[in-house]
Amino acid sequence: EAGVTQFPSHSVIEKGQTVTLRCDPISGHDNLYWYRRVMGKEIKFLLHFVKESKQDESGMPNNRFLAERTGGTYSTLKVQPAELEDSGVYFCASSPLRTTSSYNEQFFGPGTRLTVL
Amino acid sequence: QKEVEQDPGPLSVPEGAIVSLNCTYSNSAFQYFMWYRQYSRKGPELLMYTYSSGNKEDGRFTAQVDKSSKYISLFIRDSQPSDSATYLCAPSSGGYQKVTFGTGTKLQVIP
Repeated sequence: EAGVTQFPSHSVIEKGQTVTLRCDPISGHDNLYWYRRVMGKEIKFLLHFVKESKQDESGMPNNRFLAERTGGTYSTLKVQPAELEDSGVYFCASSPLRTTSSYNEQFFGPGTRLTVL
Repeated sequence: QKEVEQDPGPLSVPEGAIVSLNCTYSNSAFQYFMWYRQYSRKGPELLMYTYSSGNKEDGRFTAQVDKSSKYISLFIRDSQPSDSATYLCAPSSGGYQKVTFGTGTKLQVIP
């Protein structure tokens, strides 16, 4: 079974440009999360989708970030316009809606490394 | 104040050593305490989790949680070079809630 995939693996853009990151969750996983790690800091939560609905977007830093999950499958995270402080690694994670375990494990993708110059 | 505090290391130990990794947290709502392992250029991978206070053992790994002192530990016995990675403590209030990560401790096991 394929894991969480993210595209691109690395993106280098100039300040003011737009970038769109894509995440394909594990098939059948209705929960989808975005996290990011900026240089020297911890991985921080951005938002959580359940199917196509935003369940929690409390971690979104500002309105330059737009996340979508049309159809409840893959998700995109657009940064427009990008700023220098947006540089970091953006992780996507997914989990099933129901599980037999007491904890709902989140499976992480390899991340997209974003560099804003 | 950060919700989760973790010494970033790096920590370098000889093969076969016992490794102790620790975190403290401030949010009393945390009920699940995860340890993730992250290899270079990879995403975090769940190593093990503990619910509430207590110990949990899985092979060479033991996780401990003391909710009274808000202290989380991971012990690695007979450490191997393949254990070289960044270890992230990551508590959560459970369910489908977000995970709150520590900064991670970079571990290197020297053969």
